[in-house]
Order: sequence, then structure tokens, then C-alpha cells
Amino acid sequence: DARVTQTPRHKVTEMGQEVTMRCQPILGHNTVFWYRQTMMQGLELLAYFRNRAPLDDSGMPKDRFSAEMPDATLATLKIQPSEPRDSAVYFCASGLEGGLSYFGAGTRLSVL
Amino acid sequence: AQSVTQPDIHITVSEGASLELRCNYSYGATPYLFWYVQSPGQGLQLLLKYFSGDTLVQGIKGFEAEFKRSQSSFNLRKPSVHWSDAAEYFCAVYREGGKLIFGQGTELSVKP
Repeated sequence: DARVTQTPRHKVTEMGQEVTMRCQPILGHNTVFWYRQTMMQGLELLAYFRNRAPLDDSGMPKDRFSAEMPDATLATLKIQPSEPRDSAVYFCASGLEGGLSYFGAGTRLSVL
Repeated sequence: AQSVTQPDIHITVSEGASLELRCNYSYGATPYLFWYVQSPGQGLQLLLKYFSGDTLVQGIKGFEAEFKRSQSSFNLRKPSVHWSDAAEYFCAVYREGGKLIFGQGTELSVKP
């Protein structure tokens, strides 16, 4: 049963620390998305990749967030330094161009 | 700009009663529309999608949705709600590249 895998599922850290979230997209999918979910803003697109190349990261605060795809089986979202306002659930989704997006279970981040 | 509006933040229905969750979209061309469901602590699961063709689409778990261009709506329905349907429901419109624009979500509570 193919699925998007995100690690860790939960992360509690202190303000100023670096946070790295990982996503393993479904094998064969060429598009990967990072979304953030908060009570206030709902679901927001942070960045997305096609064929490992970043296509749009306009939703992402550039000074502290970075997203990469070191290879086709791994996408990472990094926050450095983290701040309390970054507390949210971060979802990764993968799909094929023009097709459906399949979501991971999310990483729940709490920055104290 | 494309947008999705879910007018109802929270809805409560009795088990066995019918359900309709509202979704309105703003999009210049023919939209691709989706409904996702999110159970507490879980990721988003696709319920159904509309790309073209028949305006009444059937999804999983007994859900259906009807696309009405004249009303810019894509409302989700279920004839008889089960307690396990309690969750948050998101309507989304597809943008180029596979990005999804989400509504703010409707939380469904089910009374016994």
C-alpha cells in the first residue's frame, strides 16, 4: 500500500533550535508539496518541487525556512532558527503532474 | 485569484441524518475540485474529485458532491451520517502545477 511517509510525527523543540522534517514521497511520483496547517491560517502551501527542482517556494519565509530534495525518495523542510510561531502541523504530499495529491500523516511541531 | 470558501466552520448533525457541507470557489476557468477529510491527528484523505463530465460525483464512504457552475459551488453530501464521519472536511481547488488551494475547513460533529 503506497503512502507518503513523514518523520518525525511529533517534534518538540526550543526556540532557536534547528528543525528538520523529512518526507518520503510515493515511489514514481514526480511532484512533492509542503503544506503548513495552523488554526489561524488553515492549510497553506509552502513550497513544491517537480522532478526534484523547486518550482515555487513563495509561501515560505525565506530567512529561516529551506526545502530541498536531495534525491527522488527524500524531501526535507528545515527551519533554522525555529520560533514559537512556527508551531503547526507540516504536511508533505506527492503526486504526478496534473494528477492527485496524496498526503502524509504530518509532522506536528511545537516550538517552546 | 483563485479561492475557496467554506461558509460553515462547524456543523453538528445527528447520527443517521443527512449532511450537506458547502463549498464555493472562485476560479476563472473550469475548476478541478476536491473534497478531503481529516480525522484528528491524521493527514488528509481524498474523498472525491471533479475534473469534468458528470457534475454529480461519487466518492468513498458514501459521500457525493455536485458541481454547479452557475452557483460556483461544489457541495458535499451524505444521505445518512455515521458517528465515524466526525472529522474536519476541506474543499480544495486545483491550480496549475498540482497545487491545491484549500478552504478553511468545516468541522463535523455527530450526535448520537
